[in-house]
Amino acid sequence: EAGVAQSPRYKIIEKRQSVAFWCNPISGHATLYWYQQILGQGPKLLIQFQNNGVVDDSQLPKDRFSAERLKGVDSTLKIQPAKLEDSAVYLCASRSKTGTSGRDEQFFGPGTRLTVL
Amino acid sequence: AQSVSQHNHHVILSEAASLELGCNYSYGGTVNLFWYVQYPGQHLQLLLKYFSGDPLVKGIKGFEAEFIKSKFSFNLRKPSVQWSDTAEYFCAVNANTGGFKTIFGAGTRLFVKA
Repeated sequence: EAGVAQSPRYKIIEKRQSVAFWCNPISGHATLYWYQQILGQGPKLLIQFQNNGVVDDSQLPKDRFSAERLKGVDSTLKIQPAKLEDSAVYLCASRSKTGTSGRDEQFFGPGTRLTVL
Repeated sequence: AQSVSQHNHHVILSEAASLELGCNYSYGGTVNLFWYVQYPGQHLQLLLKYFSGDPLVKGIKGFEAEFIKSKFSFNLRKPSVQWSDTAEYFCAVNANTGGFKTIFGAGTRLFVKA
């Protein structure tokens, strides 16, 4: 079974530039998550999708971050414009069950390491 | 607000030493508890999880964790660590706070000396 794919693996941009990250979850997984992991901290949820609908985006800085999952499969996370404090690893994860019990594990991709100069 | 605390940010052990990593959470309702591990150069992956039943759960590679409800804790243990256990360990708590949300601790970096 193929895992969660993310690209690019690394990205270096200057502040005020735009950047986009792509994620392809495990086939058949209905739930997709984007996390931000700042150095020395645990992953922080940015947005959760169930199929192509947003379940939770309460911690997404909507003035600069956006995400979509148009066909309920792969997803794109965009930052526009980037700030220095956006330097982090952006993790994508997926979960197979469509239920909301929260008992099922999440499968993580390798992440995209973003450096904003 | 819900939070997860991991008390040790860095731990250094020699091979064969015993390991215990602390995890405490702040939520009074029903929780689902996880430990994830990230080996050097690899993805985050599930080590073990607990949601009901026997509070002592066993995971992969000889790890176990004990849920103590009265202490809001879910500590990770291993009787004898190996060099290959060098990794970063994350405790995560999933609770229904207006939808099930998973909160991760800050992580503990474990280095095992050969």
